[in-house]
Amino acid sequence: GQQLNQSPQSMFIQEGEDVSMNCTSSSIFNTWLWYKQDPGEGPVLLIALYKAGELTSNGRLTAQFGITRKDSFLNISASIPSDVGIYFCAGQLAGSARQLTFGSGTQLTVLP
Amino acid sequence: NAGVTQTPKFQVLKTGQSMTLQCAQDMNHEYMSWYRQDPGMGLRLIHYSVGAGITDQGEVPNGYNVSRSTTEDFPLRLLSAAPSQTSVYFCASSRGEGGYTFGSGTRLTVV
Repeated sequence: GQQLNQSPQSMFIQEGEDVSMNCTSSSIFNTWLWYKQDPGEGPVLLIALYKAGELTSNGRLTAQFGITRKDSFLNISASIPSDVGIYFCAGQLAGSARQLTFGSGTQLTVLP
Repeated sequence: NAGVTQTPKFQVLKTGQSMTLQCAQDMNHEYMSWYRQDPGMGLRLIHYSVGAGITDQGEVPNGYNVSRSTTEDFPLRLLSAAPSQTSVYFCASSRGEGGYTFGSGTRLTVV
């Protein structure tokens, strides 16, 4: 199946630091999505991107849809303890009946 | 507004047993999907549906069946459970545009 390469796999940062993570693929995606998963819960949508080059913010989160349509990044500014969790990128391929392909996730730990 | 409801939350099965994981959404979403999540592998698509009466296979469909008789419900059936099916299962729904809303998951152990 299609693969999304998400990096880094894990990050340990100090509270207040900025964070960046990204996803790349050899395939072209029509939509990029970023989800966060807390322990014992399902993923929750953070940001959705629909156009190449699009830059979208949601509070301290900013994500971009790569111009080649094969990559996306997520930035978190001024991290706080509740940012801890697993962050997933997901993409929708053209003709995929709107189904999602997920990256393997970035485990974020925020140290006080 | 309950969103996506999955039952049960936890289940232990013996090898060879069958069971059905329930999923219901109250948002009138056309699209529904089942994923399994294994450590370090993200979420992988099992089966999906683009509307009542229409289902199709995802990336890892073997050993699972689905049906979509109503817009609201999308049950996942394990035909003969195997230890390799030990996983966390998520149901999700979408109106088509934008992302999917996920349920809180079913944690399944097959012994």
